[in-house]
Amino acid sequence: GENVEQHPSTLSVQEGDSAVIKCTYSDSASNYFPWYKQELGKGPQLIIDIRSNVGEKKDQRIAVTLNKTAKHFSLHITETQPEDSAVYFCAVPSSTGFQKLVFGTGTRLLVSP
Amino acid sequence: DTEVTQTPKHLVMGMTNKKSLKCEQHMGHRAMYWYKQKAKKPPELMFVYSYEKLSINESVPSRFSPECPNSSLLNLHLHALQPEDSALYLCASSQVASGSFYEQYFGPGTRLTVT
Repeated sequence: GENVEQHPSTLSVQEGDSAVIKCTYSDSASNYFPWYKQELGKGPQLIIDIRSNVGEKKDQRIAVTLNKTAKHFSLHITETQPEDSAVYFCAVPSSTGFQKLVFGTGTRLLVSP
Repeated sequence: DTEVTQTPKHLVMGMTNKKSLKCEQHMGHRAMYWYKQKAKKPPELMFVYSYEKLSINESVPSRFSPECPNSSLLNLHLHALQPEDSALYLCASSQVASGSFYEQYFGPGTRLTVT
């Protein structure tokens, strides 16, 4: 089955700095790469995703880059704000299950004012 | 609108109780999911329904019984749970089509405590 590694597990930045979270995956056939943000006491919220036919996708302060050769993808948050503080999960479709997502272990991002 | 709703928000139950969790979506999605999330861990898939039929059961104990009465509703019936079943239970939904992977949208979850 798919194996997803996510780093770092925690990330502390000052407001206005950039934050980068990286995930590596094992199945070279994977073609869909979402990122979720989970605030305390809430469900995961899909914030951005990318498919394997593009290398980068941006949505305002958030971007995702994909390197299919190296089998990794990254979440980039620029001009961080305190409300960006949350746990971020990457995910990859499982090669063994219909519509099954395998999640990374999560990154706790803390943005200090 | 990408809203998935779940009730109740919190649930405390004894090990001999029977309770149900409910999930609803009105996005026209034909796949619905139950996930379990323990503290400081990622969500773990439990069940997937596609066109109201169970398509994935991740070897979940029989004390968890899913039900999909129609394309908008998903239930999880709970019976004789153990304290280690205490967790956040998340519902999600997505479109579905052969050969494609669609975005999954999550509800806010039900925080379950088994005493």
